[in-house]
Amino acid sequence: DSGVTQTPKHLITATGQRVTLRCSPRSGDLSVYWYQQSLDQGLQFLIQYYNGEERAKGNILERFSAQQFPDLHSELNLSSLELGDSALYFCASSVALELSPLHFGNGTRLTVT
Amino acid sequence: GNSVTQMEGPVTLSEEAFLTINCTYTATGYPSLFWYVQYPGEGLQLLLKATKADDKGSNKGFEATYRKETTSFHLEKGSVQVSDSAVYFCALSVSNTGKLIFGQGTTLQVKP
Repeated sequence: DSGVTQTPKHLITATGQRVTLRCSPRSGDLSVYWYQQSLDQGLQFLIQYYNGEERAKGNILERFSAQQFPDLHSELNLSSLELGDSALYFCASSVALELSPLHFGNGTRLTVT
Repeated sequence: GNSVTQMEGPVTLSEEAFLTINCTYTATGYPSLFWYVQYPGEGLQLLLKATKADDKGSNKGFEATYRKETTSFHLEKGSVQVSDSAVYFCALSVSNTGKLIFGQGTTLQVKP
């Protein structure tokens, strides 16, 4: 058990809809990262937050947004969903801003129909 | 740009066989290199890492050496077990952050 909790485990929704994925980092970890794992793109970094502030951005679409709250949990919001957004979304956390071991959650599997 | 290339899988081995999963990278600067493992239905777990050239990372019988001259970080294990069956990801970080660039992953199947 990595200590990172992601909810829900599975999400099925229709095109055009909006969903929110939630992540609780490991106790004591200040950095939260979101990754997308899809069959065609593989594992891609989306965004990083550190202690409530956005610190790095990767291949995140404009339809997607994220935030980290004062209690350090994070939410990834996906809107105007398309079929191609179907993927496994992972949250990871680490203790520091700079490189330190990442602890991954078990992911949220999003299916867009 | 920065990228990681792994050998395509699946790799199928018998128990106690020798394992090599090739990984090469392209990066600006001096990246840190990682191997992560993903068991079915779970998130990724850090297996080992190396932060500078000639460093050898090791864990649970797995080893990988950071070879700057060949830009490689091949994963090896002398004797695999059925429980090693998983997907293995090679990754790099050039910015000393958790922003990792992953390879496509290599599925390992170990048969009794």
